[in-house]
Amino acid sequence: QVQLQESGPGLVKPSETLSLTCAVSGYSISSGYYWGWIRQPPGKGLEWIGSIYHSGSTYYNPSLKSRVTISVDTSKNQFSLKLSSVTAADTAVYYCARVVGRDAFDIWGQGTMVTVSS
Amino acid sequence: QSALTQPASVSGSPGQSITISCTGTSSDVGSYNLVSWYQQHPGKAPKLMIYEVSKRPSGVSNRFSGSKSGNTASLTISGLQAEDEADYYCCSYAGSSTWVVFGGGTKLTVL
Repeated sequence: QVQLQESGPGLVKPSETLSLTCAVSGYSISSGYYWGWIRQPPGKGLEWIGSIYHSGSTYYNPSLKSRVTISVDTSKNQFSLKLSSVTAADTAVYYCARVVGRDAFDIWGQGTMVTVSS
Repeated sequence: QSALTQPASVSGSPGQSITISCTGTSSDVGSYNLVSWYQQHPGKAPKLMIYEVSKRPSGVSNRFSGSKSGNTASLTISGLQAEDEADYYCCSYAGSSTWVVFGGGTKLTVL
């Protein structure tokens, strides 16, 4: 079955760039679907970060757009998130997910906790 | 402040039905039949329960149903069970500029 797995540093210093990768197994990214990143600060709700189509078209949360880059590597069957100039407010569990249509995140990774601290 | 408004909490007794509302605007919920609902247990990833307003993914109990009227979408859980106790989030497509917005979440307590 389709599985997603996030990976990346659990600790990032303020002002640096957060980088995460989502490895997809059981399905070829190049075959279709949007793929997305969502985050959840401790004790708070979900926030959509952005989505990428298998062809590479990207869509970002307007509030994060200036700092976010999402890319796809079909050869490795994975997609990635970069969030620049991080602050403590970016501390959260980061999830990657497959997107059905535009808003239905049907398969999720387990999530990875990223803390921004010096 | 979330783009979609949900009640912070709802509660119900086993066997009862509850409804969680999700209020947006004419730019999101009101304009598209692209509303989804997620269930999240503590420490777990969210699970898709409803998509395209009222469709259930394979494997989701038919006790969960979704609907929409105007700018407000709703999730109804019938025959409440202890395992339904969780946080629930709504989500809507919001057009080509904003793309996707989530609600603030609702904590469901089964009494």
